[in-house]
Amino acid sequence: AQKITQTQPGMFVQEKEAVTLDCTYDTSDQSYGLFWYKQPSSGEMIFLIYQGSYDEQNATEGRYSLNFQKARKSANLVISASQLGDSAMYFCAMGDSSYKLIFGSGTRLLVRP
Amino acid sequence: EAGVVQSPRYKIIEKKQPVAFWCNPISGHNTLYWYRQNLGQGPELLIRYENEEAVDDSQLPKDRFSAERLKGVDSTLKIQPAELGDSAVYLCASTHLTSSHEQYFGPGTRLTVT
Repeated sequence: AQKITQTQPGMFVQEKEAVTLDCTYDTSDQSYGLFWYKQPSSGEMIFLIYQGSYDEQNATEGRYSLNFQKARKSANLVISASQLGDSAMYFCAMGDSSYKLIFGSGTRLLVRP
Repeated sequence: EAGVVQSPRYKIIEKKQPVAFWCNPISGHNTLYWYRQNLGQGPELLIRYENEEAVDDSQLPKDRFSAERLKGVDSTLKIQPAELGDSAVYLCASTHLTSSHEQYFGPGTRLTVT
């Protein structure tokens, strides 16, 4: 069965510093995708970044990068130069060939001024 | 480009009452998803539509939940009768599978059953 694990219920980071949010996954599929979503207090899920299982290079989107280590089945999100607006819940998710997303339990990030 | 629209944003009902949620996906998106997000957890898929066909409803509690997507655009999710455990945020998402991996989410409907 597919599973996403986020072991950090909450994280603090100082403004302008970098932070890594951990995500590990379990699947027997060869083809899958890994996603990170941000959910601010307003409730909407905002797509941040995507990594395909066959992509050799780590994905980057602005201040977001995904540290993909396939052998370790990890897909950590790195946020550089944290901003106060980055305070939110962050969810790691995996999508398979059926296009269904399976989400982790989330990490709440608080950025300190 | 308008995003995914959901209504209502909030709903409070008594148990055993019916409730319905509406979703209008992004124009041109042929795939629509309904997720349920319990407090402190990630979203869980309830049903996925490709155009007007429900292609994955394996996690939809069919004894009380129903959904429809007439004409392959808007969708309605219904609960009848509602139970206390149905209190959650119901999220709708859409995508165009041939062009994007990304699912675009609406703001959700927060349901409280008393």
